[in-house]
Amino acid sequence: DAGVIQSPRHEVTEMGQEVTLRCKPISGHDYLFWYRQTMMRGLELLIYFNNNVPIDDSGMPEDRFSAKMPNASFSTLKIQPSEPRDSAVYFCASRGTSGVRTYNEQFFGPGTRLTVL
Amino acid sequence: AQSVTQLGSHVSVSEGALVLLRCNYSSSVPPYLFWYVQYPNQGLQLLLKYTSAATLVKGINGFEAEFKKSETSFHLTKPSAHMSDAAEYFCAVTSSDGNKLVFGAGTILRVKS
Repeated sequence: DAGVIQSPRHEVTEMGQEVTLRCKPISGHDYLFWYRQTMMRGLELLIYFNNNVPIDDSGMPEDRFSAKMPNASFSTLKIQPSEPRDSAVYFCASRGTSGVRTYNEQFFGPGTRLTVL
Repeated sequence: AQSVTQLGSHVSVSEGALVLLRCNYSSSVPPYLFWYVQYPNQGLQLLLKYTSAATLVKGINGFEAEFKKSETSFHLTKPSAHMSDAAEYFCAVTSSDGNKLVFGAGTILRVKS
């Protein structure tokens, strides 16, 4: 299994530009999570999906952030317009249920390091 | 609400010494507990998990953790630290609805030669 795949691994953009981060969860997993990690705030849950449906987006910082999951194998996190304070590492994670208890173990991708100048 | 407290944002040990990373949790339901490790510039990797099968849980790389309900603790230990153990460690508990993980703030482990 390839694990959770994220792209790009690094993104440098200028303030005001649109940024799109991509995630491919582990095949068969029905939960997908987006996190943001910064030195100041640590690891924050932004939003999570179950069966492609957003369940809880209370962690999304503001309307500039949006996330979609058009199918079971792909999700995007978009920031428009981007600001320097959005600079962080963004992680995607997935987990499965599949009728067998997985005890909520999440599998993390390698992250996307975003720098907004 | 579920919460996790990791005592000590930074822990420094000598190579070969005991590693002890502390985690206390608060949970309104029987908890599932996890330790994750994050090496520099990488994602989080599961070290071990407590799922009520056994109170002493063994994980990868020689780490283990003991679930103590009376103390609401799930401390992570390793008898002998290696330089390669230098990383950030996160303790996590399942949310009350069972869908999410609630993470602690993390502990950065430094191993001195």
